[in-house]
Amino acid sequence: AQSVSQHNHHVILSEAASLELGCNYSYGGTVNLFWYVQYPGQHLQLLLKYFSGDPLVKGIKGFEAEFIKSKFSFNLRKPSVQWSDTAEYFCAVGDSWGKFQFGAGTQVVVTP
Amino acid sequence: DGGITQSPKYLFRKEGQNVTLSCEQNLNHDAMYWYRQDPGQGLRLIYYSQIVNDFQKGDIAEGYSVSREKKESFPLTVTSAQKNPTAFYLCASTPRQGGWETQYFGPGTRLLVL
Repeated sequence: AQSVSQHNHHVILSEAASLELGCNYSYGGTVNLFWYVQYPGQHLQLLLKYFSGDPLVKGIKGFEAEFIKSKFSFNLRKPSVQWSDTAEYFCAVGDSWGKFQFGAGTQVVVTP
Repeated sequence: DGGITQSPKYLFRKEGQNVTLSCEQNLNHDAMYWYRQDPGQGLRLIYYSQIVNDFQKGDIAEGYSVSREKKESFPLTVTSAQKNPTAFYLCASTPRQGGWETQYFGPGTRLLVL
């Protein structure tokens, strides 16, 4: 069975600091990888996704993620966060049959 | 405006009662999903449907039932067999079948047990 593990449940950092959120997955077949974000009071929305090609993918709002197949990882990064990046971030895996699995989420708080 | 509508926003259930959560989409998406969101546990898949009149169990289907009689609608029933139904329920859809598709989420329904 596939599983998704997010390393941190809560992250607090100051504006302009760099952010890296870890995500590891366990699955034997071809996987598609996603990061979703849930801003306070808003719907979950896609940040970025990877399913083939360049393992470094860029998403909205300056976020990027790197797929490292040998480490089963898909870590999310942003060089300099803003207060508006305060949100909950979810890593997810989609299998070939259209079933998705999400990690437990990481609550990120950016202080002014 | 295209999107996913979930109603009601809040729902109260009495002990032993079945309740149905509505999910409607006007995006012409093929696949629809139901998740349960609990603090510290992320989203857990309850049921999903990739075509009309067909659906599959997710990871936590016990105590829930669904139907997919129309492409745009995927209601979820929380039965009395679900012993811990208090949670935030999210409906999602994807344009086509496949785990590479982006999921589009509704606003959610919060279910509370009286």
